[in-house]
Amino acid sequence: QLQLVESGGGVVQPGGSLRLSCAASGFTFSNYGMHWVRQAPGKGLEWLAFIHNDGSIKYYPDSVKGRFTISRDNSKNTLYLQMNSLRAEDTAVYYCAKIFPGSGWTFDCWGQGTLVTVSS
Amino acid sequence: QSALTQPPSASGSPGQSVTISCTGTSSDVGGYNYVSWYQQHPGKAPKLMIYEVSKRPSGVPDRFSGSRSGNTASLTVSGLQAEDEADYYCSSNAASNIVLFGGGTILTVL
Repeated sequence: QLQLVESGGGVVQPGGSLRLSCAASGFTFSNYGMHWVRQAPGKGLEWLAFIHNDGSIKYYPDSVKGRFTISRDNSKNTLYLQMNSLRAEDTAVYYCAKIFPGSGWTFDCWGQGTLVTVSS
Repeated sequence: QSALTQPPSASGSPGQSVTISCTGTSSDVGGYNYVSWYQQHPGKAPKLMIYEVSKRPSGVPDRFSGSRSGNTASLTVSGLQAEDEADYYCSSNAASNIVLFGGGTILTVL
């Protein structure tokens, strides 16, 4: 069945970097655009990035543009999020999400999330 | 790029109906059809409940319905059940190819 599994979270110092991974299975990964979304402790959802199915198109909100980079390896069925210059306010659970077929701005399947803590 | 506006809380008794609003602008909710609603239980990942304003994915009970009037979208839960108690988030795509979320609404079943 369709599954998304995030990994790579942990504790990182302010100013540090981290790369998150999202392993996909149960569907043809290369056919679907993917997103990253995060949720700070006790807070709401925040969209972080989108990547087209072939990696040719990427979108980010201004809040992370230039610091975060989304990428994918379709041969490994894996999505990535490279995060640089991390700040305390980047502490959150990070989710990857698959787009709903034909509805690129809809998230129809989510991973279980990976926790990133930015602290000295 | 402001977040969409949702009421922080809503409540209803079992069997009743409750409606949660999501207010944006003509540059997001009012201008595009990719308005979605997500349900999130504590400690769990969000679950898609409504997409493209009013469509229900397979497996979502027809007690959940979505609508829009102008710049405000709404999620209505009819025949409230205990398992509907959760956080609900709206989202919409917006100008400049971004996605905005609402701040979330805590739904309590009394």
